[in-house]
Amino acid sequence: EVQLVESGGGLVKPGGSLRLSCAASGFTFSSYTLIWVRQAPGKGLEWVSSISGSTNYIYYAESLKGRFTVSRDNAKNSLYLQMNSLRAEDTAVYYCARGSLRTIPEYFDFWGQGTLVTVSP
Amino acid sequence: QSVLTQPPSVSAAPGQKVTISCSGSNSNIGNNYVSWYQQFPGTAPKLLIYDNNKRPSGIPDRFSGSKSGTSATLGITGLQTGDEADYYCGTWDTNLSAYVFGTGTEVTVL
Repeated sequence: EVQLVESGGGLVKPGGSLRLSCAASGFTFSSYTLIWVRQAPGKGLEWVSSISGSTNYIYYAESLKGRFTVSRDNAKNSLYLQMNSLRAEDTAVYYCARGSLRTIPEYFDFWGQGTLVTVSP
Repeated sequence: QSVLTQPPSVSAAPGQKVTISCSGSNSNIGNNYVSWYQQFPGTAPKLLIYDNNKRPSGIPDRFSGSKSGTSATLGITGLQTGDEADYYCGTWDTNLSAYVFGTGTEVTVL
């Protein structure tokens, strides 16, 4: 059974940093592109970043480049999102999801339950 | 501001059909596969349709997807109260080198 479990969310002050983790199981982790998607309260889905299985293909939403860094540890079946210089508008539920075997993310078939990040003084 | 436009809401009576449109451009829908997601309040999205018109295992054939040019459509037939949710389209945008989601559509069963 494919499972994705996010952790690391919480309350952080503006300008602070947070590292999210996503622990995966039930599939050949290193073969799949993985992504982060966020959803601000009452808003729609926003793609954040994706990373291919080999880490050769990494993409970010333009508005987040330079502040967020995605990484993965295939030996630990884990995906990470390092978030720096956080702003109030980064407040959202952050989901990790499994992409396809393709290098660009075209669809996401399994999702974690999400972890809430709140940026507030 | 999303590059994929969906109607904010659609509604129909139980048993009827609804369609949700997703309008984009050549850099996204026009040249890439479209997927559709269903999301209930407080829960993670769920994949309904991928590669324009394919259904993952376990998704009933009441849900269908199609694409023509720079637009895509999700159809739901035999509408049920359990279909009340938000629906999002998504695709890769070649110009942006980014995945883009649609603005989202709320389905209401009257």
